[in-house]
Amino acid sequence: GDSVTQMEGPVTLSEEAFLTINCTYTATGYPSLFWYVQYPGEGLQLLLKATKADDKGSNKGFEATYRKETTSFHLEKGSVQVSDSAVYFCALTEPNTGNQFYFGTGTSLTVIP
Amino acid sequence: DTGVSQNPRHKITKRGQNVTFRCDPISEHNRLYWYRQTLGQGPEFLTYFQNEAQLEKSRLLSDRFSAERPKGSFSTLEIQRTEQGDSAMYLCASSLARTSGTDTQYFGPGTRLTVL
Repeated sequence: GDSVTQMEGPVTLSEEAFLTINCTYTATGYPSLFWYVQYPGEGLQLLLKATKADDKGSNKGFEATYRKETTSFHLEKGSVQVSDSAVYFCALTEPNTGNQFYFGTGTSLTVIP
Repeated sequence: DTGVSQNPRHKITKRGQNVTFRCDPISEHNRLYWYRQTLGQGPEFLTYFQNEAQLEKSRLLSDRFSAERPKGSFSTLEIQRTEQGDSAMYLCASSLARTSGTDTQYFGPGTRLTVL
């Protein structure tokens, strides 16, 4: 069945450091891939998405490229800020699975000044 | 657009009691989803509606759980005879169904249930 595997956290970085959070997936068909972010005390917010192979999703300086050959969708940001401290979830969905989302376990990021 | 709202935000109950949560989706969205999230885990799918029809239910959804969306707008999730293992964050999401491809789901803030 469909599943998502995320790199274990927590991750602690200094401000302006480079961020990579790894995400790999298993899917039976052609999924769409998403990154959601959850700030402390808030709900999940869509960060970016990609709907087909080689697409790059980007938002707020974050990027992720849909790599079908490696079944990956790693999240990157060139220079993190304290305000990026949050939990990041990788997710996939497929039309033939009722559009339900399959989420990874989340990666907690703390950025220190 | 006020986003997805959920009420209550927090619920504390004693084991064996029934609880009901409400979700109000984004107004033009015809799909509504319920998820459960436990500490340190990602959300797990429970069920979803397209308009008022409940189209899919997860095996996680025991017979103590029931969800409704009577007029295709707001939805309720009821848990009967709560157990301590039901303690979790219950998330609602909504989306606008597309004719092809997949939709993007927008999440509410969640209802945190604590069963004592």
